[in-house]
Formats: sequence, structure tokens, C-alpha cells
Amino acid sequence: DADVTQTPRNRITKTGKRIMLECSQTKGHDRMYWYRQDPGLGLRLIYYSFDVKDINKGEISDGYSVSRQAQAKFSLSLESAIPNQTALYFCATSEPNQETQYFGPGTRLLVL
Amino acid sequence: RKEVEQDPGPFNVPEGATVAFNCTYSNSASQSFFWYRQDCRKEPKLLMSVYSSGNEDGRFTAQLNRASQYISLLIRDSKLSDSATYLCVVNGPQERDDKIIFGKGTRLHILP
Repeated sequence: DADVTQTPRNRITKTGKRIMLECSQTKGHDRMYWYRQDPGLGLRLIYYSFDVKDINKGEISDGYSVSRQAQAKFSLSLESAIPNQTALYFCATSEPNQETQYFGPGTRLLVL
Repeated sequence: RKEVEQDPGPFNVPEGATVAFNCTYSNSASQSFFWYRQDCRKEPKLLMSVYSSGNEDGRFTAQLNRASQYISLLIRDSKLSDSATYLCVVNGPQERDDKIIFGKGTRLHILP
């Protein structure tokens, strides 16, 4: 079984809809992250969490929110999706020394 | 100067050849450096860490030049399976993870 899983793997939604992306991990790591990847722009950090209930904004948090209710789960919400949020979204985990990030398989989101 | 900069490529290299690419970073206080590999439509995975003394893992050699603020990746005897995008990752000196910076990646195509 994969250590970091994401659901759904693909999603098509309409402008204005609320959508939640889920991330689960079995690695026992305290630190979890959400990134988005766009062609030509690389990976950009949206939010990150160092522990349960700990939430920190990343580079591009506007339009997104997150929830960390358990060590193993970190969810990303788009309260009102817009087309420029169409992207590939990755969840990642790391140990406290931050040396390696372990990524989930990604969620492809298309906002029409 | 961008925080982390990579030549986007693509580098088109015949099988068996040696290829090298660099990544420059702007923050002289950066503390740790990595190369990740990302296959098309897949998640990034750690290829190797980059140490001050340089390090080698099979056909792959990573070097750090702090004076000139760049890291390099050398691939010898390239294989078709080496075709991928290689991401440079630089971690800043701060505790907070918003200083983990991903480069936009260098695309490598190994030609048969």
C-alpha cells in the first residue's frame, strides 16, 4: 500500500463549487504539505502543517483552506473554485528534520 | 535573481552519453540541497541529497558549490529510463517550511 494517498485522483468541477481534496499518510510523519504544480511554474506551496491543529500559509494560500484534525490526514478545500485553480495538486509529508519530502500521487483538478 | 533557477531544457541526449545540469540559488544562507526526479504525470521522488563534499550514487553524482551558489547533477552512461524532469530543491535556514523552494525542473530526454 502507498504511504501517502490522495483522493480523488481526478476531479472536474464547475466555477463556484466547493471541493475538498483529501490526503492520508501511514508514515507517521507530523509534517504535511499541500502544493500545486502548473506547467512552467513548478511546485508552489499552498499550506503546511507541523502537527495536528497547526496550520501555516504557504506561498499561494489565497482561495484555499486546510484542515488537520488528525496526524494522518490533511485536507485541502477550495471554497469557491475558479478556473485558474485548475492544476495538479500534491500532498507531501516529511520528518521534523525536513530532509526528504514524500509525495502522494497527485490530484488532477479541472475547474470549468 | 530568482530564488532557485534551472535550465528548463529539454536536454536531448543519446543513450550511453554523459549529461550534466546545474541549478543556481540566490540565498547564500541556504542549508540543504536535493535533486528530485519527476516522471510525466507522476509525483516527485527524492533522487539524492547534495552534500558539501559531493556525493555519488551509482551513475549519479551531485555537487555543491557554495561560493558560486549552484548545485549540479551528473548522469553517466545514461539510460532510456533516465528520461524525466529533474527538480532542484533548496531548503532555507529557517525552521519554517515556506523556505523549501523547488526549481521548475530540467527535462531530460534520453534518445535510443
